[in-house]
Amino acid sequence: QKEVEQNSGPLSVPEGAIASLNCTYSDRVSQSFFWYRQYSGKSPELIMSIYSNGDKEDGRFTAQLNKASQYVSLLIRDSQPSDSATYLCAVNIEAGSGYSTLTFGKGTMLLVSP
Amino acid sequence: DGGITQSPKYLFRKEGQNVTLSCEQNLNHDAMYWYRQDPGQGLRLIYYSQIVNDFQKGDIAEGYSVSREKKESFPLTVTSAQKNPTAFYLCASSIDLWDRFTEAFFGQGTRLTVV
Repeated sequence: QKEVEQNSGPLSVPEGAIASLNCTYSDRVSQSFFWYRQYSGKSPELIMSIYSNGDKEDGRFTAQLNKASQYVSLLIRDSQPSDSATYLCAVNIEAGSGYSTLTFGKGTMLLVSP
Repeated sequence: DGGITQSPKYLFRKEGQNVTLSCEQNLNHDAMYWYRQDPGQGLRLIYYSQIVNDFQKGDIAEGYSVSREKKESFPLTVTSAQKNPTAFYLCASSIDLWDRFTEAFFGQGTRLTVV
């Protein structure tokens, strides 16, 4: 089975620090990668997508992709207590019949302390 | 407002009962999905669908059934054959299953508890 792996955490960082979240995936042909944020008891919300090797920046968030190493990361600069949540890595994986679906990692819990 | 609506938000089921979770979207998306989430776990795919009257099993389809009679609607039935149904159920949609670059958007979820 094609897998997406994340450290479960929690990852604890002080307010204002950089939080680094990592994800590895097993399917070499995957082409799109997503980071979702999920607050406790709520549904996931999309925060970043990345399709090409390198960095993609959006405000305080930077997604990094290295397809050769099958590795995706999310950096959160100037972390705020409101960033405390579980971050889910999702990878678009071929499901058969030409379809592709999102496979999720188990998520990394981030705790930002004031 | 465009979005995905799941109902109910909370659902209690007795042992041996079937229950149906509702999911409706007005985003004009072709693809719809059901995921299950257990505490401390990621999302696991139950069923997905690209077109009306057609759907595919995901990784954990046993004990579940779905229908897709309308493009906008994709209800999930949790049957009595599902041995451990207590979980958070999430419905999602995306533009279509052929697009390898499309993201999925989620409803607010239904929390099912067996009593």
